[in-house]
Amino acid sequence: AQSVAQPEDQVNVAEGNPLTVKCTYSVSGNPYLFWYVQYPNRGLQFLLKYITGDNLVKGSYGFEAEFNKSQTSFHLKKPSALVSDSALYFCAVRDVLEAGTALIFGKGTTLSVSS
Amino acid sequence: GAVVSQHPSRVICKSGTSVKIECRSLDFQATTMFWYRQFPKQSLMLMATSNEGSKATYEQGVEKDKFLINHASLTLSTLTVTSAHPEDSSFYICSAQGQGGTEAFFGQGTRLTVV
Repeated sequence: AQSVAQPEDQVNVAEGNPLTVKCTYSVSGNPYLFWYVQYPNRGLQFLLKYITGDNLVKGSYGFEAEFNKSQTSFHLKKPSALVSDSALYFCAVRDVLEAGTALIFGKGTTLSVSS
Repeated sequence: GAVVSQHPSRVICKSGTSVKIECRSLDFQATTMFWYRQFPKQSLMLMATSNEGSKATYEQGVEKDKFLINHASLTLSTLTVTSAHPEDSSFYICSAQGQGGTEAFFGQGTRLTVV
């Protein structure tokens, strides 16, 4: 069975500091991995994805994530946080072998960036 | 990325009435659509998967007679909440995926309030 774990309910950082939002996954085969951001009462905004290739993936708004197969992790990072980055972040996974199935989401991590 | 339009963004209805939510893929053919439900500050829970021209596949615990899903064309899926009750109040999000696609694209979400 596929699953995603986001171990932190909330991450607090000061503006200008680097941020990391953690994600680990479990799939039978190889993973497709995604990060989304959600602002209050809004849908999901796509940030980045790992399908294949380079383990370091760069996405929207200066975010990046590194796929680590041995640790089954896909942590989201940003070198310098902005107050406007404050939102709810979701990691999601799908097994490459299960085409046409839905993404499985982590529980979400609230990022709070203070000025 | 591809565009998925979900309508309405907000709806308030009386108990006992039915509400229809539309999900349209605007620039691609969505062979598969997914419907999620999200409670406040919680993750997205998959309700059902629908393939164009087929009956939807519902997740365990989701009442198929209450949450009617129709995917009659490659660009439109609808979710009808029948005989709505206050406990059906939630944020509903659709996503759409094309044939052979690696990722799904999300609608803006619908905030349903049943009074």
